[in-house]
Amino acid sequence: QVQLQESGPGLVKPSGTLSLTCAVSGVSISISNWWTWVRQPPGKGLEWIGEIHHRGSTNYNPSLKSRVAILIDKSKNHFSLKLSSVTAADTAIYYCATTSVDEMVLRATDSWGQGTLVTVSS
Amino acid sequence: DIQMTQSPSSLSASVGDRVTITCRASQDISDYLNWYQQKPGKAPKLLIFAGSSLQTGVTSRFSGSGSGTDFTLTISSLQPEDFASYYCQQSYSPPYTFGQGTKVEI
Repeated sequence: QVQLQESGPGLVKPSGTLSLTCAVSGVSISISNWWTWVRQPPGKGLEWIGEIHHRGSTNYNPSLKSRVAILIDKSKNHFSLKLSSVTAADTAIYYCATTSVDEMVLRATDSWGQGTLVTVSS
Repeated sequence: DIQMTQSPSSLSASVGDRVTITCRASQDISDYLNWYQQKPGKAPKLLIFAGSSLQTGVTSRFSGSGSGTDFTLTISSLQPEDFASYYCQQSYSPPYTFGQGTKVEI
């Protein structure tokens, strides 16, 4: 059973860089899944940020593409999110998750971390 | 980007009611549609994948239907633990966009 746990600063200054890590346990990060980030501003809906495959392929939301990077560290079995030039609009709960892709599931995000609130404020 | 439009944005229902939530995609997404449940302060939970397949461990009160652009999530007999927000998500092409959510309230 895969488990995911986000960690990182809960407060980031405007124009700074948001950095979060997602520790994966119960499974190797080198399985054929996509490792995903989703965020949710307080009281609002879900926004898909992007994903990375253990082979290094990435997909990003075009609305964030110029500011976002998702990296994977197989030696530590974790992946990370970096979002630069943050503003108050980036204040949100950030979730890491894993997305399965196969002929039956097609593509579905089936395991999630508990989420971590990141506030952008001076 | 594929736009996902859910309706209604909120609804009031009673225990035992049959509840239906709809989701419309801005283009044909075949069966690449998932449904999630989210309770306050918790992460989303996958309920339905590939349009109509029930995730392991999810009660059969939940069912999904549809293909192409129009999809439905049905709760056959609403239970107290079903009061939550529900989101559809297209998994056809990135960015894998979510609907705006439906809050099911008493």
